[in-house]
Amino acid sequence: GENVEQHPSTLSVQEGDSAVIKCTYSDSASNYFPWYKQELGKGPQLIIDIRSNVGEKKDQRIAVTLNKTAKHFSLHITETQPEDSAVYFCAAPDSWGKLQFGAGTQVVVTP
Amino acid sequence: KAGVTQTPRYLIKTRGQQVTLSCSPISGHRSVSWYQQTPGQGLQFLFEYFSETQRNKGNFPGRFSGRQFSNSRSEMNVSTLELGDSALYLCASTGSLSNTEAFFGQGTRLTVV
Repeated sequence: GENVEQHPSTLSVQEGDSAVIKCTYSDSASNYFPWYKQELGKGPQLIIDIRSNVGEKKDQRIAVTLNKTAKHFSLHITETQPEDSAVYFCAAPDSWGKLQFGAGTQVVVTP
Repeated sequence: KAGVTQTPRYLIKTRGQQVTLSCSPISGHRSVSWYQQTPGQGLQFLFEYFSETQRNKGNFPGRFSGRQFSNSRSEMNVSTLELGDSALYLCASTGSLSNTEAFFGQGTRLTVV
């Protein structure tokens, strides 16, 4: 089945710097890779996703890149702000189409 | 469009009791998945329902069960509660079965004492 690994588990950045979170997956048939942001006391919110027919997707300060050959994808946050502090999860579908989640990355943006 | 609604938001139960949690998916969505979130284990898949049928089940004991109604609303039940069942229970709705966006509710925080 699909195995998703996410690194790092915690990430502390200064406001204005960039943050990068990386995930690897095991099932080469996976073709959809979403990222979720979870703020304290809330459910995960879908912030960006990418499908396997593209290598990069951007939405304002966030971007996701995908390397299908190496089976890894990354979330990039530029010009970080305090409101970017949250836990971020990557995910990839298993053979049934069910999302398998990474363990999460706690991002802390310090002013 | 209303989002995914989970009730109740918070629940405190005693060991040995049972509990029922409810999830109303986004209007028009027919698939509902349930996840357990704990600090040490991350997001663990419980089960998925589509058109009132359980389509997938995660690796949880039989004390965890669920169902889906004809209006796509779903409930999950945990019987004979244990302290280790304390967690945030999340449900997510998707429009179709294959690889589309999953939208989560706010979750139900269950505390077993």
